[in-house]
Amino acid sequence: QKEVEQDPGPLSVPEGAIVSLNCTYSNSAFQYFMWYRQYSRKGPELLMYTYSSGNKEDGRFTAQVDKSSKYISLFIRDSQPSDSATYLCALKRGNYQLIWGAGTKLIIKP
Amino acid sequence: NAGVTQTPKFQVLKTGQSMTLQCAQDMNHNSMYWYRQDPGMGLRLIYYSASEGTTDKGEVPNGYNVSRLNKREFSLRLESAAPSQTSVYFCASTISGYGYTFGSGTRLTVV
Repeated sequence: QKEVEQDPGPLSVPEGAIVSLNCTYSNSAFQYFMWYRQYSRKGPELLMYTYSSGNKEDGRFTAQVDKSSKYISLFIRDSQPSDSATYLCALKRGNYQLIWGAGTKLIIKP
Repeated sequence: NAGVTQTPKFQVLKTGQSMTLQCAQDMNHNSMYWYRQDPGMGLRLIYYSASEGTTDKGEVPNGYNVSRLNKREFSLRLESAAPSQTSVYFCASTISGYGYTFGSGTRLTVV
């Protein structure tokens, strides 16, 4: 069983929709939770990171962590075609290592 | 501000050939990483360097070696390439351990 599970998609939604992307994890030792966005043929780029359970908002993006359920989410409001990308969750273990989800491919249809 | 620069961007090798992937960062980051990304597998850590002068194995180190040449540069060497090493390779660096900055990747095909 993988430490971090993420549905690979693709997830296809119309422009303007609210998007929900999710990861589940098995190890309660994870303390920091990140979301990265990766455009085709590019390296991942950090979108958001959170430490505690609860919500963190940045513009149209909201990251949510539920440590009791070992479940993290990324919500995108008013989705745009430019949001079409692969979204990867990453969980920090120790000082130097991130454990990555496999990524969910998101397609926003104009 | 270049960030993380990887060379080459593309490479085709024959089985058994060797090559070195180069990575350099200009952000004064302490930690540097080499990942491979395969379809459906996500990012898998090959080696990392927590600071200049140190290197450690990650999840999939077999068949690879690394050198942290100085604070800026971290190279990945394939001594005898195998078709199973066909992948996209990413170098990344961080100062905080949270916000990794990635290079644009090297697409390697081993035939």
